[in-house]
Amino acid sequence: GAVVSQHPSRVICKSGTSVKIECRSLDFQATTMFWYRQFPKQSLMLMATSNEGSKATYEQGVEKDKFLINHASLTLSTLTVTSAHPEDSSFYICSARANPGPSPLHFGNGTRLTVT
Amino acid sequence: AQTVTQSQPEMSVQEAETVTLSCTYDTSESDYYLFWYKQPPSRQMILVIRQEAYKQQNATENRFSVNFQKAAKSFSLKISDSQLGDAAMYFCAYRRSSGAGSYQLTFGKGTKLSVIP
Repeated sequence: GAVVSQHPSRVICKSGTSVKIECRSLDFQATTMFWYRQFPKQSLMLMATSNEGSKATYEQGVEKDKFLINHASLTLSTLTVTSAHPEDSSFYICSARANPGPSPLHFGNGTRLTVT
Repeated sequence: AQTVTQSQPEMSVQEAETVTLSCTYDTSESDYYLFWYKQPPSRQMILVIRQEAYKQQNATENRFSVNFQKAAKSFSLKISDSQLGDAAMYFCAYRRSSGAGSYQLTFGKGTKLSVIP
């Protein structure tokens, strides 16, 4: 089946630094990838939709200058958290679609970000 | 905008018994997809079952089945012969079938299922 690899699985960084999270589709081309954020004991909230070769579409309330998304190829999307603050600490999950139609989205294993 | 509501924050079931998790949704679309995802402590999102809205027949996957009531906008998940490995957070999700944003999933808040040995 389709596999989505997300890296790193855990990262700890200091306030003010930037962190890059990678989302790769290993055995399929993903024209669209999605980035979600999940706070403890809460649901997944869509942050942005990443389309290959074009600018990402951000959901309302998500700062595009803080959460930089790049989808430079059909198999890789990156999320960079810039000037991280402790309140950015969260679980970030990416997903990608492999086919059109009813094919479900495939999820990465997620990245737990802790900002100290 | 579409919304997904899971009214049961937590549920528990005895091992080998049956449990039903509730989900309702709101949409003005006539064609869409519904999903149940399982998220164990590892946080990996695992697809449990999916339903196309145009299909009247309820989807089944081994011990997992749904009761899809389109008119009532209800999509419940039944787990039969519950196993310890079924313990997890379960999220109900909605996706449009076409048009802008048709691959975006809208999730409910989740139901934490505990399985009692």
